[in-house]
Amino acid sequence: SAVISQKPSRDICQRGTSLTIQCQVDSQVTMMFWYRQQPGQSLTLIATANQGSEATYESGFVIDKFPISRPNLTFSTLTVSNMSPEDSSIYLCSVESLAGTGELFFGEGSRLTVL
Amino acid sequence: LAKTTQPISMDSYEGQEVNITCSHNNIATNDYITWYQQFPSQGPRFIIQGYKTKVTNEVASLFIPADRKSSTLSLPRVSLSDTAVYYCLVVLYSSASKIIFGSGTRLSIRP
Repeated sequence: SAVISQKPSRDICQRGTSLTIQCQVDSQVTMMFWYRQQPGQSLTLIATANQGSEATYESGFVIDKFPISRPNLTFSTLTVSNMSPEDSSIYLCSVESLAGTGELFFGEGSRLTVL
Repeated sequence: LAKTTQPISMDSYEGQEVNITCSHNNIATNDYITWYQQFPSQGPRFIIQGYKTKVTNEVASLFIPADRKSSTLSLPRVSLSDTAVYYCLVVLYSSASKIIFGSGTRLSIRP
């Protein structure tokens, strides 16, 4: 298993500002994934972050809005830029099991409220 | 990736067995069926994974028929703490890339 820590756990932000979410894993992992979960909805994959390369974004998500850093094998950040109330969501960091089974481990999430 | 379809919600009572069925008609040969559980204010948690027939662990059982076009998650003797959203996913074994979550089933357990 992997232990994932996210910061902040929650925040209230003003429209037009940006917020960076940090994700720390207790083991070295190749891929890290960022998901968004809007209120009452399922999870939507934002992007996949590999160390040493640019993140791969899913349809509907762009780097200018959600820049991602992956400076090493245990850490990643997701920035939500120029926020609007529609960005109010839970943002979840996830990593793949080292056992190679395709299982995902998730952090507790970062709950953002944009006013 | 195979799309999954599962009931939006289910209700049951403590002590009952709950079966949640998921259909995945377009499952590929190398795909595995995986179930996750999500409690409020937490990230999803892996429950069980299988390829065919039956898989059982300390939490649940997973039944997969021969054609693999559907699967059933069975939770024995549920308790109030089993109230959660359950997601059925089809994933390529050994790769977590592009794992897509469906709508999930919101299970409510009553006393």
